[in-house]
Amino acid sequence: AQSVAQPEDQVNVAEGNPLTVKCTYSVSGNPYLFWYVQYPNRGLQFLLKYITGDNLVKGSYGFEAEFNKSQTSFHLKKPSALVSDSALYFCAVRFLYSGAGSYQLTFGKGTKLSVIP
Amino acid sequence: DSGVTQTPKHLITATGQRVTLRCSPRSGDLSVYWYQQSLDQGLQFLIQYYNGEERAKGNILERFSAQQFPDLHSELNLSSLELGDSALYFCASSVGDRGRDTEAFFGQGTRLTVV
Repeated sequence: AQSVAQPEDQVNVAEGNPLTVKCTYSVSGNPYLFWYVQYPNRGLQFLLKYITGDNLVKGSYGFEAEFNKSQTSFHLKKPSALVSDSALYFCAVRFLYSGAGSYQLTFGKGTKLSVIP
Repeated sequence: DSGVTQTPKHLITATGQRVTLRCSPRSGDLSVYWYQQSLDQGLQFLIQYYNGEERAKGNILERFSAQQFPDLHSELNLSSLELGDSALYFCASSVGDRGRDTEAFFGQGTRLTVV
């Protein structure tokens, strides 16, 4: 089955420190991976995606993600955390939904990031 | 602003009732997806439509149904509501449904409370 896992329910980091939010995936074939962020009482916002090419993907708000095929991981990173980065982060994978020819997006359970001033 | 509009933002209703949630996708997007977000289940895919046709079904209950109209807006109908249906319901849209690299854009959600 196609899935993503976010092993940490919560990550705490001090403002100014680097942050990492972890994601591992299980897909057959080439993975198409995404990160989304959800601020309180808001919808999900797209941050970045990995399709092919460079293993380091740059996205919005200074975030980047590192794709590692051997470890089947797609960790989200930022060199210097801001208090305003505090939110819920979702990793997602897009896969072919059998029989319909369309690609579905399935999400991990989310990781709550708290950046402490 | 993602360009995806959901109404209403909040809905409070009693058990056994029926409600309709509405979604207008981004201009030009043909695919609409519905997701349910609850504390214990995370973000669950419910159903997807593409240009008026149902494309995929996820963990959608038989009491729930959806449709996409010719103007591409979509409605999610929830009937015989139970307390456990209380959740945040999101609509998302994308340009197509066959692009593996196509990201989806989400609305702000409808918070449904069943009392």
